[in-house]
Amino acid sequence: KQEVTQIPAALSVPEGENLVLNCSFTDSAIYNLQWFRQDPGKGLTSLLLIQSSQREQTSGRLNASLDKSSGRSTLYIAASQPGDSATYLCAVAGGTSYGKLTFGQGTILTVHP
Amino acid sequence: EPEVTQTPSHQVTQMGQEVILRCVPISNHLYFYWYRQILGQKVEFLVSFYNNEISEKSEIFDDQFSVERPDGSNFTLKIRSTKLEDSAMYFCASSDPDRSHGTDTQYFGPGTRLTVL
Repeated sequence: KQEVTQIPAALSVPEGENLVLNCSFTDSAIYNLQWFRQDPGKGLTSLLLIQSSQREQTSGRLNASLDKSSGRSTLYIAASQPGDSATYLCAVAGGTSYGKLTFGQGTILTVHP
Repeated sequence: EPEVTQTPSHQVTQMGQEVILRCVPISNHLYFYWYRQILGQKVEFLVSFYNNEISEKSEIFDDQFSVERPDGSNFTLKIRSTKLEDSAMYFCASSDPDRSHGTDTQYFGPGTRLTVL
């Protein structure tokens, strides 16, 4: 059974810092990995999707990497801003279960001015 | 930009009552999903739906749950006899996977908060 873990559980940083969020998964036979953002009481916004054959994806100040063999992904946020404050969720789709996403518990990020 | 919508945003019901949660997926998407998030816990997969049938379901999705695509635009989740432990945020998602390129991005709705009293 796939298990997804995210570290740290919470992170508080001053504006402008570069930061790294970590995600690990137990079964390396994944189809893809998605990073989401969740604002309090809101839905999930897809940030980046990395296919199993890819090593990284970039979107603006966000860069996500994937090391499938070691079961790890990192989300790098450059030059953090207060508007980046949210919960960041990592989710993996299993190798034969295309649609089922297994989520981590999230990292709560606070960026203070 | 197209988005997934869900109604209602908040539903309060008495234990044992039936509820129907509604979703309008992105119009050209073919795959539909329900997830739930109990307060303070992880987002959990419930069911996926394609071509008018369930593709996969989790152990949570027992006989009390059902899904339907009653017309060309709506996708519903029915809970026949709600329990206290069904209280959660329920998210609908849709995707238009191009499996030749692995681009299975799932787009989520804003959620329906279900409170069972």
